[in-house]
Amino acid sequence: EIVLTQSPGTLSLSPGERATLSCRASQSVSSSYLAWYQQKPGQAPRLLIYGSSSRATGIPDRFSGSGSGTDFTLTISRLEPEDSAVYYCQQYGFSLGAFGQGTKVEIK
Amino acid sequence: EVQLVQSGAEVKKPGESLKISCTGSGYTFATYWILWVRQMPGKGLEWMGIIYPGDSDTTYSPSFRGQVTISADKSISTAYLQWSSLKASDTAMYYCARSIGGSGSNFEFWGQGTLVTVSS
Repeated sequence: EIVLTQSPGTLSLSPGERATLSCRASQSVSSSYLAWYQQKPGQAPRLLIYGSSSRATGIPDRFSGSGSGTDFTLTISRLEPEDSAVYYCQQYGFSLGAFGQGTKVEIK
Repeated sequence: EVQLVQSGAEVKKPGESLKISCTGSGYTFATYWILWVRQMPGKGLEWMGIIYPGDSDTTYSPSFRGQVTISADKSISTAYLQWSSLKASDTAMYYCARSIGGSGSNFEFWGQGTLVTVSS
């Protein structure tokens, strides 16, 4: 069973700054099956990135994903106040999936 | 427009059974995977299991195998998550989600969630 570890636990940044979120897998993950989700309080998760680097429909281009093997990154190039949320990575492999524990992004 | 609509909030006692639902519309229900996710109060997302409604092929996370049953009825475009004997620790929000494509890898469309409260 693949375990995903996200860091940092919390990121506190100002509007306009760049946010870099990390997701590390306990073993190699197919890039095709690595996704990132955003969840705001009281809402269902929203798919941001799939296939490690493809933006989902309607997602602004300030969100980008990269990585391969065991190390993946979600970058928010210029933070907006509405980006305040918890971000989860998720992988699927060997017919099983898992989420990371989440990174909370706070906007100062 | 793709939509997943989940059944309403439930309040149950320990030991009771429960079946919650997730009804899809705006697409061919049988040909996309459905994922069930648990989110306990104040906690993160947990991948419970997936089902392919076309043939009911189902995979469970080891943490949930034997604890819940996932099923689907493609004739009415509905997936289910059920418990035979609820515990207080089953108190959580449960989400269903539809895969982005034909593989059960990543999930683009989400239901609104069903809050399950188990309390004596």
